[in-house]
Amino acid sequence: EAQVTQNPRYLITVTGKKLTVTCSQNMNHEYMSWYRQDPGLGLRQIYYSMNVEVTDKGDVPEGYKVSRKEKRNFPLILESPSPNQTSLYFCASSPTFSSYEQYFGPGTRLTVT
Amino acid sequence: QKEVEQDPGPLSVPEGAIVSLNCTYSNSAFQYFMWYRQYSRKGPELLMYTYSSGNKEDGRFTAQVDKSSKYISLFIRDSQPSDSATYLCAMTLTGGGNKLTFGTGTQLKVEL
Repeated sequence: EAQVTQNPRYLITVTGKKLTVTCSQNMNHEYMSWYRQDPGLGLRQIYYSMNVEVTDKGDVPEGYKVSRKEKRNFPLILESPSPNQTSLYFCASSPTFSSYEQYFGPGTRLTVT
Repeated sequence: QKEVEQDPGPLSVPEGAIVSLNCTYSNSAFQYFMWYRQYSRKGPELLMYTYSSGNKEDGRFTAQVDKSSKYISLFIRDSQPSDSATYLCAMTLTGGGNKLTFGTGTQLKVEL
């Protein structure tokens, strides 16, 4: 089954404790991105990647890091999480940057206390 | 002011009703318009996609774009309880590819 998977689905952590949220797609897509979804603010892009080893900042990149060493994986790293990073995170992929349809993962609910 | 405005709802309608969901936007350079549907505890999925002004129909769903008014709509005919979800509008510039700007979403509940 073609899909985007994220792990973990739920995470509660404390301020300053480094964490990684994994994202993997099995559709051989070139383009992958990370979003956060907050009430009243909608989906906002954090980082995106047009292909292996090619990443760029989205609209809200502060406090986040990403890497794209393999085509299928695009982990999101929070080096020192803070409470304002409490949010619902989505990974998405699409065949190329110019493909308007994005396939979203199921989401990761992160709480930072 | 946000680039894309969308009434958050919730919108509650009886089964079989015609539903109208709307977004307004401020950037006249937006050319591609999309509607995503998001069920509870799931990621968004693309429902409809239109380019520039005009209408597009897909089964019970019709997407409408009025660029002169900077206004887009999604109509759902014969609404079903399975249509209960949050509907997100999204848009991008020509050549903007996947650099989407999303609305905040409208929560729809279709009741039996």
